[in-house]
Amino acid sequence: DQQVKQNSPSLSVQEGRISILNCDYTNSMFDYFLWYKKYPAEGPTFLISISSIKDKNEDGRFTVFLNKSAKHLSLHIVPSQPGDSAVYFCAASDEGGSEKLVFGKGMKLTVNP
Amino acid sequence: DSGVTQTPKHLITATGQRVTLRCSPRSGDLSVYWYQQSLDQGLQFLIQYYNGEERAKGNILERFSAQQFPDLHSELNLSSLELGDSALYFCASSVAGGGGRYGYTFGSGTRLTVV
Repeated sequence: DQQVKQNSPSLSVQEGRISILNCDYTNSMFDYFLWYKKYPAEGPTFLISISSIKDKNEDGRFTVFLNKSAKHLSLHIVPSQPGDSAVYFCAASDEGGSEKLVFGKGMKLTVNP
Repeated sequence: DSGVTQTPKHLITATGQRVTLRCSPRSGDLSVYWYQQSLDQGLQFLIQYYNGEERAKGNILERFSAQQFPDLHSELNLSSLELGDSALYFCASSVAGGGGRYGYTFGSGTRLTVV
């Protein structure tokens, strides 16, 4: 049972445009949502998070939106840069229960110059 | 350098063998998590230790075991290896109770190939 789903395996955008990465979840007990970025031959690195009591969190070029009623979150990258090309993982946790993060399968983003 | 150290980076071994993967968490972090990433799969949670004690268990096979030592480093032991155990194994660490709020810090992983 996959509790965190990233249904699109890849996305390609032009430099300077917006990248929108989507994620759906099924567990209503999740109270924190995170995005990680992973380059080849490296471990995932934390990018941005959002609490379930918020609907938006912004950090520079990265904004995460949360729609609890739809159990959906998205990561917006504006403007996209070639260095953003990586695999992005959506993750969620239930802090009141287990602290472990549940990850989606990842999405490969390619930003073309 | 994330501060989480995993050794070895690469490991090639034969079916039926046993291997040990090692992880040193970031300074000050008490929790250690082990994840497995197989081909076309996301990061699958295996097990968590907090300050030396097992805290949570995921889809970890009975052939696999882990422990966290007094100096907080952790080892993941994989035995009776099968071809399907070939994967990237990541260790991550976090401050106590901060898995969701602050995220984990991951190591660069150990790539295990079983032949």
